[in-house]
Amino acid sequence: DAGITQSPRHKVTETGTPVTLRCHQTENHRYMYWYRQDPGHGLRLIHYSYGVKDTDKGEVSDGYSVSRSKTEDFLLTLESATSSQTSVYFCAIRVQANTEAFFGQGTRLTVV
Amino acid sequence: GENVEQHPSTLSVQEGDSAVIKCTYSDSASNYFPWYKQELGKRPQLIIDIRSNVGEKKDQRIAVTLNKTAKHFSLHITETQPEDSAVYFCAAYSGGGADGLTFGKGTHLIIQP
Repeated sequence: DAGITQSPRHKVTETGTPVTLRCHQTENHRYMYWYRQDPGHGLRLIHYSYGVKDTDKGEVSDGYSVSRSKTEDFLLTLESATSSQTSVYFCAIRVQANTEAFFGQGTRLTVV
Repeated sequence: GENVEQHPSTLSVQEGDSAVIKCTYSDSASNYFPWYKQELGKRPQLIIDIRSNVGEKKDQRIAVTLNKTAKHFSLHITETQPEDSAVYFCAAYSGGGADGLTFGKGTHLIIQP
């Protein structure tokens, strides 16, 4: 599992509330990613990080923010959750930019 | 940016037959092409990958072929088994930065007994 742990694994929250998802890795990899997975859309990149405090936007970043204050933790925050953010969220790491991604177990988020 | 198209979205084959999933990409600079398998409720996991300096790669019953001129690559699964039922994703890495890995929308492979 490449030492990746996501928490929580499941969450139900109300529209308008803030939500933070955590990705933790134990192998000091530089590159970390947050994807969302929705039927018919595959895996879409939300934000990524290439080092501590170094983050950038992906394809579907609106409504999301991230932080990486330590190598091992990459946090994804929904400032004010909306129903369109109901999804399965996967964290991933890559050893180098041009190598395969290893995924966490996923977090199923439901916004009601 | 890179665009990856994957076909078909659903593929049903008889157990023991072969399955082929095809992907096309748009960025001629792409140089790394992984394939992932995702079983129901699980995380995507890498099953095979290929780099642009190679035309074909095999691993037991699975193989991937790459045609750089046409900008397409394919996953071939022979002698399909029930445990091959899953969603398969192709991806392409176009280089130039830490993001660059673009996924296709996935193919749901169903193995009929």
